[in-house]
Amino acid sequence: AQRVTQPEKLLSVFKGAPVELKCNYSYSGSPELFWYVQYSRQRLQLLLRHISRESIKGFTADLNKGETSFHLKKPFAQEEDSAMYYCALSGHNQGGKLIFGQGTELSVKP
Amino acid sequence: GAVVSQHPSRVICKSGTSVKIECRSLDFQATTMFWYRQFPKQSLMLMATSNEGSKATYEQGVEKDKFLINHASLTLSTLTVTSAHPEDSSFYICSARVGQAAREAFFGQGTRLTVV
Repeated sequence: AQRVTQPEKLLSVFKGAPVELKCNYSYSGSPELFWYVQYSRQRLQLLLRHISRESIKGFTADLNKGETSFHLKKPFAQEEDSAMYYCALSGHNQGGKLIFGQGTELSVKP
Repeated sequence: GAVVSQHPSRVICKSGTSVKIECRSLDFQATTMFWYRQFPKQSLMLMATSNEGSKATYEQGVEKDKFLINHASLTLSTLTVTSAHPEDSSFYICSARVGQAAREAFFGQGTRLTVV
């Protein structure tokens, strides 16, 4: 079964602290993994995807196939990073549909 | 980036009536669009895949007669919630991909449906 699990519903850190949002997945094959972000009162938007291996707004995520994880990390959190973060999976030959995790609310305090 | 627009952004309807939500790709053609449902502070649940010119593919547990999807053109998909009930109240979001091979999905701003 395809599943994306984000164990933390809420993550609260102080500005400047490192942050790691956890994501584990279950998929029989080689999926594509994404992180989407939803800022307050805004639409969902792509943050990054594992294929690109890029850093966006200081965030990085590495796909660990052995641990079936795709954790999102940032060394120094900023207040503007406060948002809902969703990990998502897309399987091959599935027409591009996304399976989302439950989401983690990141709150960065001053 | 590509823009996906939903209309209306908010709608309140009486129980038993039907509501239509539109999803448009403004600057690109989308052969495939997706409809999601999101409960407050919860995940997006995929409801169906909308394919231009053909029937939508519904996820398990989603009533196709209740949530009618029409994708009549390459830039418009509609979701009609028929005979709405209070339990249908939710946030409905559509998304579209730019091209068949593209993996990135662009999302609409969502529609808040309240059934009273």
